[in-house]
Amino acid sequence: EAGVAQSPRYKIIEKRQSVAFWCNPISGHATLYWYQQILGQGPKLLIQFQNNGVVDDSQLPKDRFSAERLKGVDSTLKIQPAKLEDSAVYLCASSSPSASVYGYTFGSGTRLTVV
Amino acid sequence: GNSVTQMEGPVTLSEEAFLTINCTYTATGYPSLFWYVQYPGEGLQLLLKATKADDKGSNKGFEATYRKETTSFHLEKGSVQVSDSAVYFCALSTNTNAGKSTFGDGTTLTVKP
Repeated sequence: EAGVAQSPRYKIIEKRQSVAFWCNPISGHATLYWYQQILGQGPKLLIQFQNNGVVDDSQLPKDRFSAERLKGVDSTLKIQPAKLEDSAVYLCASSSPSASVYGYTFGSGTRLTVV
Repeated sequence: GNSVTQMEGPVTLSEEAFLTINCTYTATGYPSLFWYVQYPGEGLQLLLKATKADDKGSNKGFEATYRKETTSFHLEKGSVQVSDSAVYFCALSTNTNAGKSTFGDGTTLTVKP
């Protein structure tokens, strides 16, 4: 079974620029999550999708971050404009409806550096 | 709200030493508990899990027991290897929050030959 695919693996941008990350979940996984992992911390949820609908985006900084999952499969997370404090690893994860029992499958992440 | 507290690291051990990484939690409802491992440059991988009190999760020589009375889920391994060097995250998930997981801040383990 193919894992969760993310791209790019690394990205360096200047502050105030925009950036986009892509995620393709495991086939058949209805639920998709974007997490932000700042160095030395655990992952923090940004947004959760169920199929193509948003379940929870309460922690997403909506003035600069946006995410979509138009066809209920792959997803894009965008930051515009980026700030220095956005430097982090952005992790995508997917799960079956039983995530509370079986846990997540994570992608390898995108490491963003804002200079 | 839900929260997970892990022992602070980093932890440095010699090969074949015994490992314990402490994890305690606060949750509403009845959480499932997880340990994830993150190797350098990679995403998190599920290591083991337990879904109810007194369950023991195990994988690759690692074990953790769900202790409801102490709200704990400590990770243990009897004999660590250099290849176990990684960051370990404790996490919980409940049905009441749509399966979302709450993670601890991670504990970095370094095993020296």
